[in-house]
Amino acid sequence: EVQLLESGGGLVQPGGSLRLSCAASGFTFSSYAMTWVRQAPGKGLEWVSGISGPGGSTYHADSVKGRFTISRDNSKNTLYLQMNSLRPEDTAVYYCAKEHPWGPHSFDYWGQGTLVTVSS
Amino acid sequence: QSALTQPASVSGSPGQSITISCTGTSSDVGVFTYVSWYQQHPGKAPKLMIYDVSNRPSGVSNRFSGSKSDNTASLTISGLQAEDEADYYCSSYAGSSTLEVFGGGTKLTVL
Repeated sequence: EVQLLESGGGLVQPGGSLRLSCAASGFTFSSYAMTWVRQAPGKGLEWVSGISGPGGSTYHADSVKGRFTISRDNSKNTLYLQMNSLRPEDTAVYYCAKEHPWGPHSFDYWGQGTLVTVSS
Repeated sequence: QSALTQPASVSGSPGQSITISCTGTSSDVGVFTYVSWYQQHPGKAPKLMIYDVSNRPSGVSNRFSGSKSDNTASLTISGLQAEDEADYYCSSYAGSSTLEVFGGGTKLTVL
């Protein structure tokens, strides 16, 4: 059974940093691209970052470029999102998701999400 | 990269069919076949309903179907059921720089 379990969310002051983790199980982690998607309270989904299976290619939305870094440790089956220079508008539930095996750029399994609150 | 455009809300009665549109540009929906649709119930994670414009993942009801014409993709739900009431989001691949873009979401109400 595929499972994705996010952790690392919490309350942080503007300008601060957090690192989110997503522990994966039930599939060959290194074979699949992974992504982070966020959802501000009461708002829609926003794609944040993506990374290839081997980890050599990374992508970030313009809204987080230069502040967030996606990475993965395939030996630990874990996806990360390093978030620096956090702003109030980064407040959201952050989901990690796995790419569908036959549908590139679609995501068939999602974690339960971890809440990040940026506030003084 | 701007979000894809979806109607804020749609509604229908049980048994009816509804269609949700998703309008993009010639840089995303219009040029790629990587359009997906997600269903999200309150407080839950999104669920993939359609990928690659019109393909259903295993386990998704055949009441859900997808299509695309030019810059607009559509999700059709036939035989509406109470449990279909949820928020629906489209997404599209948008190229190697932006990668993915989502629509603003559509709230489906089953009357």
